[in-house]
Amino acid sequence: NAGVTQTPKFRILKIGQSMTLQCTQDMNHNYMYWYRQDPGMGLKLIYYSVGAGITDKGEVPNGYNVSRSTTEDFPLRLELAAPSQTSVYFCASSYDGYQPQHFGDGTRLSIL
Amino acid sequence: KQEVTQIPAALSVPEGENLVLNCSFTDSAIYNLQWFRQDPGKGLTSLLLIQSSQREQTSGRLNASLDKSSGRSTLYIAASQPGDSATYLCADNYGQNFVFGPGTRLSVLP
Repeated sequence: NAGVTQTPKFRILKIGQSMTLQCTQDMNHNYMYWYRQDPGMGLKLIYYSVGAGITDKGEVPNGYNVSRSTTEDFPLRLELAAPSQTSVYFCASSYDGYQPQHFGDGTRLSIL
Repeated sequence: KQEVTQIPAALSVPEGENLVLNCSFTDSAIYNLQWFRQDPGKGLTSLLLIQSSQREQTSGRLNASLDKSSGRSTLYIAASQPGDSATYLCADNYGQNFVFGPGTRLSVLP
């Protein structure tokens, strides 16, 4: 049982490039989330989804896009990468909004 | 806007001590509150989740309490061990998403 799997683990991008961070879960969870964590800070919610075909903005959605075509996958896309998007990105999932969240190991992204 | 704070930011204790980590939130209209552990370079591991109707939850040496009226939660760790060294984060479920505190970095010295 893999839980929440994120790829890649590390990535360096140049300003203006785009990329997709992958997230997949095998727990049949309905809810999925994308967070970013900056040094010394708590996690901030970027986007979340309560089921396939449904996505909604979190606290810091600007510069990002998501899609949820299946229950298992919730990719996060960065368009026109900017230095301010240098961060550690975490994907999480839960059965519903009242159950514990399960996290992936994160993607460390640097934009130079 | 919901804000979550954690005090202290860092804590160093000798092995065997009992300790308390604090979490405060500004709006008491939360669905639940969750405590996580984060090891360096790793993701978050869920420790305890307290629903809004509950007062506390226990798991082994860990006990978390919730007082919605005062906007506070505490995580009590009994008989601390070096393996407990990590960053501990609290997060409240505030309307379809979680708001995280900045964490308390705990070091348990042998």
